[in-house]
Amino acid sequence: GQQLNQSPQSMFIQEGEDVSMNCTSSSIFNTWLWYKQDPGEGPVLLIALYKAGELTSNGRLTAQFGITRKDSFLNISASIPSDVGIYFCAGHGLGGGATNKLIFGTGTLLAVQP
Amino acid sequence: DAMVIQNPRYQVTQFGKPVTLSCSQTLNHNVMYWYQQKSSQAPKLLFHYYDKDFNNEADTPDNFQSRRPNTSFCFLDIRSPGLGDAAMYLCATSLRGWRLYNEQFFGPGTRLTVL
Repeated sequence: GQQLNQSPQSMFIQEGEDVSMNCTSSSIFNTWLWYKQDPGEGPVLLIALYKAGELTSNGRLTAQFGITRKDSFLNISASIPSDVGIYFCAGHGLGGGATNKLIFGTGTLLAVQP
Repeated sequence: DAMVIQNPRYQVTQFGKPVTLSCSQTLNHNVMYWYQQKSSQAPKLLFHYYDKDFNNEADTPDNFQSRRPNTSFCFLDIRSPGLGDAAMYLCATSLRGWRLYNEQFFGPGTRLTVL
């Protein structure tokens, strides 16, 4: 099925470093969501974005909805070991109608060295 | 706390032996989804219910069925599991209405092993 281009695929960083990841699409989206998934668990919603240009924070996390509606990024500041996991972006397109279907990114694996 | 609950968390079945996974939610959301997720991949939507209306994805095998007897519960039935069906199965919910329409909330998942 359709997927969003998410990069980087993986990141290995030191505790305290800042992290940035992004998602791009060839299609316009009207919603961008960022999820974190811990090993063996379901994805947890971190941030939801609904407006082009919107910048939203959740603690040390900041995400932005790109002006073109075709991209989004997630930043994590001052990373800590519990930030380890896989981060997925997900988008919902214009005219999604009754399908309510999310398109997921390919995921970014984050590893944090204490 | 309002949540999405999946039981069991781990399920082992034999090749060809039917298995049922369950999901319940206390969020009172009208949309419920089932996803399949294989290692290192994004979740793949199998089907979803909008209230009692069932919506199947075109590429979901017939081997996968679902039931939603009421708002709170949804079941995934795998009629004849094959080795390729071993995966994490995720249930999610959303509330259809204005901007909350697109936010999906996931349960912890059921890890299915097929022997």
